[in-house]
Amino acid sequence: ETGVTQTPRHLVMGMTNKKSLKCEQHLGHNAMYWYKQSAKKPLELMFVYNFKEQTENNSVPSRFSPECPNSSHLFLHLHTLQPEDSALYLCASSQELAGGRVQETQYFGPGTRLLVL
Amino acid sequence: AQKITQTQPGMFVQEKEAVTLDCTYDTSDPSYGLFWYKQPSSGEMIFLIYQGSYDQQNATEGRYSLNFQKARKSANLVISASQLGDSAMYFCAMRVDTGGFKTIFGAGTRLFVKA
Repeated sequence: ETGVTQTPRHLVMGMTNKKSLKCEQHLGHNAMYWYKQSAKKPLELMFVYNFKEQTENNSVPSRFSPECPNSSHLFLHLHTLQPEDSALYLCASSQELAGGRVQETQYFGPGTRLLVL
Repeated sequence: AQKITQTQPGMFVQEKEAVTLDCTYDTSDPSYGLFWYKQPSSGEMIFLIYQGSYDQQNATEGRYSLNFQKARKSANLVISASQLGDSAMYFCAMRVDTGGFKTIFGAGTRLFVKA
């Protein structure tokens, strides 16, 4: 299997549920990202893991909890979500060198379409 | 502040014709990278093409080319010989060093290819 995979592809959950989104990359990359894509809004970066360490958390509510057990896997744990959290959640990965470079390309998974009722 | 602007919410193009999708950017950093992604209705963001701020030539990848005008801070995507499968959302993005590298995305342009 190649590229970036995400499961599940679709998820419907109630506001009191707890669920997790899973992302796996098969590209040998060392950085992984969670993005939120809502209707009529630009892509919003939520979390960044670089060399398995969380390097960015863009003021995301605590009802979203990321986990990166290794450089190939990334999870987004969800609990007590709100209807406005309904969106497409995209995972991406990239290969980052120490110090960083502008040309590093992010490769995306197919996304999880989340509906919160 | 860094910003990407895509002013065309939607575009129509006849099959087999060329189309240009506009993108302007704003950054004070001399080193940056510009990207275009395609997002079909299935949701996956597909990387199309990359242009570095120091690259002397415009990037090309098959039917995709990037019209990079540094002085105007524009990085328009040109798709030649449009195909029905090109119908999708297209996002322009910029990667800059903000004390940690970050990729900033525009709002996107929806392209409709007519048969």
